[in-house]
Amino acid sequence: ELKVEQNPLFLSMQEGKNYTIYCNYSTTSDRLYWYRQDPGKSLESLFVLLSNGAVKQEGRLMASLDTKARLSTLHITAAVHDLSATYFCAVESGATNKLIFGTGTLLAVQP
Amino acid sequence: EPEVTQTPSHQVTQMGQEVILRCVPISNHLYFYWYRQILGQKVEFLVSFYNNEISEKSEIFDDQFSVERPDGSNFTLKIRSTKLEDSAMYFCASSGDRYAGELFFGEGSRLTVL
Repeated sequence: ELKVEQNPLFLSMQEGKNYTIYCNYSTTSDRLYWYRQDPGKSLESLFVLLSNGAVKQEGRLMASLDTKARLSTLHITAAVHDLSATYFCAVESGATNKLIFGTGTLLAVQP
Repeated sequence: EPEVTQTPSHQVTQMGQEVILRCVPISNHLYFYWYRQILGQKVEFLVSFYNNEISEKSEIFDDQFSVERPDGSNFTLKIRSTKLEDSAMYFCASSGDRYAGELFFGEGSRLTVL
């Protein structure tokens, strides 16, 4: 059974600083997603990573995928308060392409 | 932009009552899913549905749960006799292609069981 681990679980950072969230998964997968979730809201798709070495960037967020290491990272550059949210990685698994989610990282950016 | 829509956005029910959550997937999509998120926890897979039948289900998806695509557009999740621990946000998702299709989530239906 595929397991997905995220760390850290909670991240408090100051505006302007850089940090990285890590997502490890236990078995081979074809696709990895990063989502943002604001409190009480749905999942906002940030990135879909399909292949080894894939790197995608949107604003202050950059995601990368290393399928050999079974590791994805979400890098935050020069954080701003608006980035405060919970971030989940999710990995496709099984014949039906269901998603297995990580535990989430609650990001709090302090002004 | 096409989207997955869910109703109701919030439902409050008494323990033991039946609940039906409704979803309208994106119109040309073929693969449908329900996920659950208990408050403050991660999102958990419940069930996947393709070609009018369940293709995979998790341990959570026991006999109290059922899914249906009654009319070619709606996709429903029924909980037969709700328990307190069924209180959660339920997300519907759909994708168009098993190999290349990205998954799209609805806004969620919050279920509160009293």
